[in-house]
Amino acid sequence: NAGVTQTPKFQVLKTGQSMTLQCAQDMNHNSMYWYRQDPGMGLRLIYYSASEGTTDKGEVPNGYNVSRLNKREFSLRLESAAPSQTSVYFCASVSGTVHSPLHFGNGTRLTVT
Amino acid sequence: LAKTTQPISMDSYEGQEVNITCSHNNIATNDYITWYQQFPSQGPRFIIQGYKTKVTNEVASLFIPADRKSSTLSLPRVSLSDTAVYYCLVGAPESSASKIIFGSGTRLSIRP
Repeated sequence: NAGVTQTPKFQVLKTGQSMTLQCAQDMNHNSMYWYRQDPGMGLRLIYYSASEGTTDKGEVPNGYNVSRLNKREFSLRLESAAPSQTSVYFCASVSGTVHSPLHFGNGTRLTVT
Repeated sequence: LAKTTQPISMDSYEGQEVNITCSHNNIATNDYITWYQQFPSQGPRFIIQGYKTKVTNEVASLFIPADRKSSTLSLPRVSLSDTAVYYCLVGAPESSASKIIFGSGTRLSIRP
């Protein structure tokens, strides 16, 4: 049982380049989330998807787009990367059953030069 | 979601009991209190969850007073491996269209 899988683990981009961070969960969870974590800081919510076919903005959505491709997959796209987007990105999912906890992936470490 | 307040950092020594308190004055009737632990370079992981009184598992205990406006995570006999950031969250994640917001957490450092 893999849980939440994120790819890639590491990525270096030049300013202005685009890329998509992939996230997949195999726990049949309804809701999925994207967070970013800057060094020494807490997690900030970028976007979330309460269920397949829906997405909503979190605390810091600017510069990002998301796609809930199906129930398993939730991708995060940076259209034109900026140095301020250098961070560790975590994907998480939750089942939607009563008071179930979040399950996190191991993160993608992104550096934008 | 109810806003939470926790100490930014705490220090302790191996073998001690550590208590981290979280304030959540605006907790709603249906809200649960959930604690997560995050080691460096890893995603947070669930530790414990409770609604009222006391909950205990193999990792920690969670104490919640009757008014539920605060909660205390208790780690018995800590070791160096308990050095991590601990987050307190209040809410009901299973509700539809639910934003799950993390605060800054408490950075716990354990010394030999």
